[in-house]
Amino acid sequence: AQSVSQHNHHVILSEAASLELGCNYSYGGTVNLFWYVQYPGQHLQLLLKYFSGDPLVKGIKGFEAEFIKSKFSFNLRKPSVQWSDTAEYFCAVFYNQGGKLIFGQGTELSVKP
Amino acid sequence: GAVVSQHPSWVICKSGTSVKIECRSLDFQATTMFWYRQFPKQSLMLMATSNEGSKATYEQGVEKDKFLINHASLTLSTLTVTSAHPEDSSFYICSARPGTGVLQETQYFGPGTRLLVL
Repeated sequence: AQSVSQHNHHVILSEAASLELGCNYSYGGTVNLFWYVQYPGQHLQLLLKYFSGDPLVKGIKGFEAEFIKSKFSFNLRKPSVQWSDTAEYFCAVFYNQGGKLIFGQGTELSVKP
Repeated sequence: GAVVSQHPSWVICKSGTSVKIECRSLDFQATTMFWYRQFPKQSLMLMATSNEGSKATYEQGVEKDKFLINHASLTLSTLTVTSAHPEDSSFYICSARPGTGVLQETQYFGPGTRLLVL
């Protein structure tokens, strides 16, 4: 079955710490990969996406993600987090076979000022 | 660009009534819109895929007679929760995909509608 797994349910960091959020997905043919962020009380916003090409993708607000095909992973990173990065982060995978966007469980990030 | 709106943002209703939620793509045309449901502290679960001018495709376990979806134009899809019950209380989110026939294109999400059924 097509599924997406995020390793951490809740991550707590201090400002300036580095961030890495894990995301793995099940094999299902050709995929497109996304990270969305949901700030408190706001709607989902696209952070970055990978369709093809350079597996290291840069997104908004200093975020980046690396697609490792052999590991079925698409981890999100940021070298130095800020208090304003406090939000829920969702990894999502679009499986071309089936045409569905499958979301991970989400990771709540809390950044202490 | 690529803004999706939902209306209403909040709705409280009595058990047994029907509630209609609108999803609009404001600055692009969307042949396909999606409806998701999000429970507290959980991820988004796809309920159905709505294609303009045709019947919606429902995910397994989603009652099509309870969650009526209409995609009457390229910028509007509606979700009607019929005979709502307290267990239907949830956060309903729509998304829209611009372009035609390109499966990989990005979905843009609305702000969501919080439904509380008393």
